[in-house]
Amino acid sequence: AQSVAQPEDQVNVAEGNPLTVKCTYSVSGNPYLFWYVQYPNRGLQFLLKYITGDNLVKGSYGFEAEFNKSQTSFHLKKPSALVSDSALYFCAVKDTNAGKSTFGDGTTLTVKP
Amino acid sequence: EPEVTQTPSHQVTQMGQEVILRCVPISNHLYFYWYRQILGQKVEFLVSFYNNEISEKSEIFDDQFSVERPDGSNFTLKIRSTKLEDSAMYFCAGARGILSGANVLTFGAGSRLTVL
Repeated sequence: AQSVAQPEDQVNVAEGNPLTVKCTYSVSGNPYLFWYVQYPNRGLQFLLKYITGDNLVKGSYGFEAEFNKSQTSFHLKKPSALVSDSALYFCAVKDTNAGKSTFGDGTTLTVKP
Repeated sequence: EPEVTQTPSHQVTQMGQEVILRCVPISNHLYFYWYRQILGQKVEFLVSFYNNEISEKSEIFDDQFSVERPDGSNFTLKIRSTKLEDSAMYFCAGARGILSGANVLTFGAGSRLTVL
């Protein structure tokens, strides 16, 4: 079985400060890892993914994430947060042998001016 | 940019009534999914669909739920007899493939179902 944990329901940062949204995962094989963002009254939008290769992946809107196999983590980061980054962020994992993506419970990011 | 289109955006129904939620996927997608989100939080997998058949379903997807893609375009989710706990936002999603990391999901805007 595959699972994802996002330990923080809420992350608050000041505009211009770095942000981190945490994610840990559990899968039986090699993981495919994803971050999605959801703005109010919208569907989820893809931000970035890790499949293989470089542990640091870069995605949309200046976000990046680092795959850490030993810690089974895939934390989302951004060097300088914007107010417009405020949204609900979901980490997701897919086992290479499964068709479905399993999502974490989501983390609400609030960036204050 | 191609979009996944869902209708209706919001449906209110009485408990016990049948509901059909519709989705028009992106044309080059091969894999289709329904997820639901309750109270704007956890996103729960319901079912995946490939080559005109269900490839995987969750415990939530019981006999009251069904999916089909009869005309090769619309992908529908039917709930035969709705319950109060079916109230949620239902998202349709599609993907080009599941190999080589191609399983990036493209979501529709969702259909909000309210069961009274």
